[in-house]
Amino acid sequence: ETGVTQSPTHLIKTRGQQVTLRCSSQSGHNTVSWYQQALGQGPQFIFQYYREEENGRGNFPPRFSGLQFPNYSSELNVNALELDDSALYLCASSGRRGPQRGETQYFGPGTRLLVL
Amino acid sequence: GQQLNQSPQSMFIQEGEDVSMNCTSSSIFNTWLWYKQDPGEGPVLLIALYKAGELTSNGRLTAQFGITRKDSFLNISASIPSDVGIYFCAGNNNAGNMLTFGGGTRLMVKP
Repeated sequence: ETGVTQSPTHLIKTRGQQVTLRCSSQSGHNTVSWYQQALGQGPQFIFQYYREEENGRGNFPPRFSGLQFPNYSSELNVNALELDDSALYLCASSGRRGPQRGETQYFGPGTRLLVL
Repeated sequence: GQQLNQSPQSMFIQEGEDVSMNCTSSSIFNTWLWYKQDPGEGPVLLIALYKAGELTSNGRLTAQFGITRKDSFLNISASIPSDVGIYFCAGNNNAGNMLTFGGGTRLMVKP
């Protein structure tokens, strides 16, 4: 149990639709990162939010967007869904200072998205 | 972009055997991390390495941060059935808390 929760656990959408995934961070953590994990691969960094602002982004198109709320929970929004967006979406919460300062990222169980 | 090459992709071993897996990168990382992921769960941190040459243990697990800062290995001694899962290496290069993950090593243990 990491204290990081995600909803929903599973989701099925069709191509072209939009989806919103939610994450509640562990108590005391002010930074939320989102990762996409395709089947059989390692997680890929999408973006990170700190104090309600995007604080870094990986190689993902603008149709992937996010929000962070004052309570540090976060949403990942994906517009115009494509078949290749089918994946496990992981959220991780941490402090901002990074692993060099002992800031461990705690991952939630993920949301499995299937795009048909 | 940065890539981590993790090997082997999968291993099927007998209970009690030792296991070794490694990760190499084309770029330097300042922190290396090893995670384990069980089915239906997110990755869980096993070991974090912060200095080149560092050797760190966590129970039966031992990991080392390569001198060149471009590689790391993880050893598991005396494997047991609950070691089954997917092991990921991850690197961080001071870019906040953004991690670059390897492709994973799937470990299967035969009782």
